[in-house]
This record gives sequence, structure tokens and C-alpha cells, in this order.
Amino acid sequence: DQQVKQNSPSLSVQEGRISILNCDYTNSMFDYFLWYKKYPAEGPTFLISISSIKDKNEDGRFTVFLNKSAKHLSLHIVPSQPGDSAVYFCAASAQGGSEKLVFGKGTKLTVNP
Amino acid sequence: DVKVTQSSRYLVKRTGEKVFLECVQDMDHENMFWYRQDPGLGLRLIYFSYDVKMKEKGDIPEGYSVSREKKERFSLILESASTNQTSMYLCASEDRRRTGNTIYFGEGSWLTVV
Repeated sequence: DQQVKQNSPSLSVQEGRISILNCDYTNSMFDYFLWYKKYPAEGPTFLISISSIKDKNEDGRFTVFLNKSAKHLSLHIVPSQPGDSAVYFCAASAQGGSEKLVFGKGTKLTVNP
Repeated sequence: DVKVTQSSRYLVKRTGEKVFLECVQDMDHENMFWYRQDPGLGLRLIYFSYDVKMKEKGDIPEGYSVSREKKERFSLILESASTNQTSMYLCASEDRRRTGNTIYFGEGSWLTVV
């Protein structure tokens, strides 16, 4: 039973274009969502988060959108840069500590020069 | 900056060996975690600890144990390593006094069991 789904294992975009990474969830109790970025042979680093009381959060080139009715969130990267090439994990939690964090399986983003 | 340090980046062990993976964080965080990451499976929680000498099982605790004798240090132990434990292991910590569930990861330990 996969509560957090990243249905696209990979995504390829051109430098300068928009990257859109998607994440769907099934648990309506989730109230906090995060995106982590991971380079090969390194640990994941926190990128951006959003609480369920918001529908958008922006940090520089990164914006996360939350559609609670559709149980869907997305990460937009504009403009995409080759250094953004990494695996992106979506994670969600439901009013609990981080032991309750549920991660998606990740989407590998490749930004081509 | 939060610093989570995993002492061994790359290890090769034989089947049946006892393996220790050490993790230290320098931010006085209460919560610490061990995950493993496998291609196509994402991040899976093995064990976590919310205080010294406290531990709780995560989603995949079988074949692992942990030790937290000091607040800053959380060790993962493979009592008898098996080939299906070949993986990347990630330690993480969290300041539970802060709102939100932002956890900070170490750089990972690549374990190969032969």
C-alpha cells in the first residue's frame, strides 16, 4: 500500500525550461509535505516544504503546489539548470513526528544543457 | 548548519560478519533515524530513536538493531550481514522542538555484502 506515489521514475528537460515533478498521495490525514533532492553517493537534502493550510510555497526557482482535493502536489523548477539533475523525493506526514514521514520512490530529473 | 556525519562511506563485508554503522550529529537533536535507500524502492525507515537509550522499529527492522548511548550518536548494527542488506544506509536527525518534519540526512554509507 503505497501512500505516496511518484509515478514518473524519470524526467528529462532542457536547460532553461520548466521541470514539473509530480507526487500523489492517498492518506487524507497527511498535513505536511516536503521535497528532498539527492545527488548520487550523497544523502538527501531538504529542498522545500508546504503545510496543508497553504496551496503554494515558493523559494527562489522552486515552487511547490498542493491540491488537497486531488491529493496531489507538484514541484516546479524554473528555470531548470544542469545542476538540478538529481533524484527528487516527495515525502508526507500526518500530524506526527518524522518517524511518520512517508517517502515516495523518487523521480530522477535530468536537465540537458 | 546541521551536520550529520556517517563515519564510513564505503564498506565491503562478508556474509555473516557483524557490521557497525556509526552516525553522529552536532546539533543536539533529540530524534535520529536510520534509513536504507534502494533503487526503485525509495527511502525506507529501519529504526528511529527519540532519546538516549530509546528506540523504535521502523518499517523494515528485521536483521538490524540499533544503539543510542549518547544523544549525539546513533549506531546501526547488522548482527549477521547478508547479501540482501547490500544497500545505501542513511542516518538522519531532527530537532523535534521545531515545527514541521524537516529531517537532515548524512551523506550515506554504501554497504556491500559479499
